[in-house]
Amino acid sequence: EAQVTQNPRYLITVTGKKLTVTCSQNMNHEYMSWYRQDPGLGLRQIYYSMNVEVTDKGDVPEGYKVSRKEKRNVPLILESPSPNQTSLYFCASSIIAGELFFGEGSRLTVL
Amino acid sequence: ILNVEQSPQSLHVQEGDSTNFTCSFPSSNFYALHWYRWETAKSPEALFVMTLNGDEKKKGRISATLNTKEGYSYLYIKGSQPEDSATYLCAFLYGGSQGNLIFGKGTKLSVKP
Repeated sequence: EAQVTQNPRYLITVTGKKLTVTCSQNMNHEYMSWYRQDPGLGLRQIYYSMNVEVTDKGDVPEGYKVSRKEKRNVPLILESPSPNQTSLYFCASSIIAGELFFGEGSRLTVL
Repeated sequence: ILNVEQSPQSLHVQEGDSTNFTCSFPSSNFYALHWYRWETAKSPEALFVMTLNGDEKKKGRISATLNTKEGYSYLYIKGSQPEDSATYLCAFLYGGSQGNLIFGKGTKLSVKP
């Protein structure tokens, strides 16, 4: 089954404690990206990647890092989480310029 | 700053009504326009990807049109059903196939039985 898998789905953490949200896709897609969804603000892009070792900043990259060492994975790294990073996060993948396939979302709370 | 505007923000209709909403985007550097359907507690799912001016796409009771010269797209739902209740997102891909995808804030549709 074609899917995008994110982990963890839910996480409560404390300010400053590094965390990683994993994202994996099994469709051999070149393009992968991370979004955050906040009430009233819609989906905002954090980072995107066109291929292995190729990543670019989206609209709200501050406080986040990504790496793309394998085509199927693009983990989202929060080196020092802060409460303003409390949000619902989505990973998505596609062929270049194609429709996005979204993961199920990861709800993160930073205390 | 590129902006994608969707209107209305929310819409309440009765079962059986037909409805439509708008997505406005910059008309320069256009590459593609996406529509997604996002049900509560689920993930967004693609409805259409449109690339050509004048394009029309249809999936069941849902259809979309595209005007790249004036920078807008319409999504139509014919004979709305309660299961159509969702947020409908459009996203604008600019700067070529390897450019950035910018989402609008969505139109939240509620269909009452």
